Amino acid sequence: AQSVSQHNHHVILSEAASLELGCNYSYGGTVNLFWYVQYPGQHLQLLLKYFSGDPLVKGIKGFEAEFIKSKFSFNLRKPSVQWSDTAEYFCAVNAGHSGYALNFGKGTSLLVTP
Amino acid sequence: DTGVSQDPRHKITKRGQNVTFRCDPISEHNRLYWYRQTLGQGPEFLTYFQNEAQLEKSRLLSDRFSAERPKGSFSTLEIQRTEQGDSAMYLCASSLGPLSNEQFFGPGTRLTVL
Repeated sequence: AQSVSQHNHHVILSEAASLELGCNYSYGGTVNLFWYVQYPGQHLQLLLKYFSGDPLVKGIKGFEAEFIKSKFSFNLRKPSVQWSDTAEYFCAVNAGHSGYALNFGKGTSLLVTP
Repeated sequence: DTGVSQDPRHKITKRGQNVTFRCDPISEHNRLYWYRQTLGQGPEFLTYFQNEAQLEKSRLLSDRFSAERPKGSFSTLEIQRTEQGDSAMYLCASSLGPLSNEQFFGPGTRLTVL
């Protein structure tokens, strides 16, 4: 079955630590990839997206993600996290043949401690 | 606030009752989406409209669920004969133009079925 897997459900980091959140998908063919973030008490909002071109994409607030087609992965990274990065992070995939629907992973809850 | 709005924000109902939720997308956004999110899960796609036409429906959308978008503006999602398993956060999102454009999410309607 087609799916999106986020490996870490809960991550706790100290400020200034580096972050990498894993995302793997099982769709074949063309995919469009997204990372969304939900800060406490706020709406889901887009962090970054990949459609084509450079597989290393940069998003808001210093986040970046790398699309590795051979590994079916789209991992999110940030070199140095801040307390304000505490949030829920969701990877989402649109399979090119499935219209406009986004298929989300279960999410990773990130807690950054001072 | 010119973002996506949803009403009500919270709804508590008894099993077997009908409920209706409303979503007002960002003005001029031609695409509107409904997702459902349960605890510990990412959002799950339910259905999608382009203007007033309902173009995609998930298998999750049973016969008890119906969505409309008259005149291509606001949308309603009705659940008939609610069941406890319908308890979830119902999210609405809207976007304009191609898939590469961001889906903007609303705050959601939290449904509790007793």
